[in-house]
Amino acid sequence: SQTIHQWPATLVQPVGSPLSLECTVEGTSNPNLYWYRQAAGRGLQLLFYSVGIGQISSEVPQNLSASRPQDRQFILSSKKLLLSDSGFYLCAWSVQAGGRDEKLFFGSGTQLSVL
Amino acid sequence: GQQLNQSPQSMFIQEGEDVSMNCTSSSIFNTWLWYKQDPGEGPVLLIALYKAGELTSNGRLTAQFGITRKDSFLNISASIPSDVGIYFCAGPRSYNTDKLIFGTGTRLQVFP
Repeated sequence: SQTIHQWPATLVQPVGSPLSLECTVEGTSNPNLYWYRQAAGRGLQLLFYSVGIGQISSEVPQNLSASRPQDRQFILSSKKLLLSDSGFYLCAWSVQAGGRDEKLFFGSGTQLSVL
Repeated sequence: GQQLNQSPQSMFIQEGEDVSMNCTSSSIFNTWLWYKQDPGEGPVLLIALYKAGELTSNGRLTAQFGITRKDSFLNISASIPSDVGIYFCAGPRSYNTDKLIFGTGTRLQVFP
């Protein structure tokens, strides 16, 4: 069965420090991978998605970047964190197919607090 | 652009009560998904709907794909404390894509 791992679960970082959040998927090949952000009490905002190694699409201009160095690894980074980067970050995957399987499966999230 | 509006925004109910929430859009969706997010966790898929008029159940949960394709409903029967969380509807932005749009969420609180 497929599993998705995301770490760390919580992170407190000072403004201006770098960020690296990692996500890995097991049990599937060539998944679509996603990074979402959820502000407190709000909905989910898509930040990045990837359909393959080295292929990253950004949804919104921001202080963050993403990379996919391996098929099942997705990394969210920042060189210098801003206060507004605080939030709950979720990694997700889906089956890459042209058919109906649009279902997303989420990791357990990383609560990032920038102080 | 496409948007999904959920109502109510929040609900406070007594254990044992039934719950109804809905999701509406100004444009047509070909798929409706319902997710539940427990506090501090990622959303978990509850039900997927693929056909207008479709009614699908998952235990005490029942969801319906609206006939107009612009709405969907989720009902929870005989609520229990572990039903607490945020319920999101979602649908793909356009046909044949898995980039989802998520609704604004309905926060459910269940009191014993």
